[in-house]
Amino acid sequence: KAGVTQTPRYLIKTRGQQVTLSCSPISGHRSVSWYQQTPGQGLQFLFEYFSETQRNKGNFPGRFSGRQFSNSRSEMNVSTLELGDSALYLCASSPGQVVGGELFFGEGSRLTVL
Amino acid sequence: AQSVAQPEDQVNVAEGNPLTVKCTYSVSGNPYLFWYVQYPNRGLQFLLKYITGDNLVKGSYGFEAEFNKSQTSFHLKKPSALVSDSALYFCAVRDPSNYGGSQGNLIFGKGTKLSVKP
Repeated sequence: KAGVTQTPRYLIKTRGQQVTLSCSPISGHRSVSWYQQTPGQGLQFLFEYFSETQRNKGNFPGRFSGRQFSNSRSEMNVSTLELGDSALYLCASSPGQVVGGELFFGEGSRLTVL
Repeated sequence: AQSVAQPEDQVNVAEGNPLTVKCTYSVSGNPYLFWYVQYPNRGLQFLLKYITGDNLVKGSYGFEAEFNKSQTSFHLKKPSALVSDSALYFCAVRDPSNYGGSQGNLIFGKGTKLSVKP
């Protein structure tokens, strides 16, 4: 079974631009979650989507948004990029209905904002 | 509020010696607890979890962890460390009484860098 696939792996943007990151979950998984990882703040939960609906949301500004498609693939978008948005963005999938189920992470998309 | 603490930024161990990576948590209900490992420039890999039942759980690559409710701890252990175990280890918690069934929201600790020397 293929794992969680994130694209692109690396990207460089400038302040004020926007970026879209993509995540393809493990086949059959209906839940996709997004995390931001930085050296200072560690791993922080952005949001979770399940069956195309946002099921949970972390404490991030509205510049961070996401969506999920009918095939469970997900995208997240960051608008008006700031230097502090430079981070590794991790996507994780899970079946979504298993109590206590673990998350399966992708390799991440490393965003650098100049 | 939920939180996870990993009190050691770095743990240094000689190959062949036992290792322990510490984790304490704070949640309002009964926790679901997880350990993940991250190698440089990679995503997180699941090691093991505690949901209920036996306090000692065994996971991948010879790792195990002991859930201690009275001390609110979930320390990761391995009897004999390998150089290849060198990586960043994260403890995470989910409070199942919150979030209406959401599975995706884990609260992570800051991580502990494990260095195993030959």
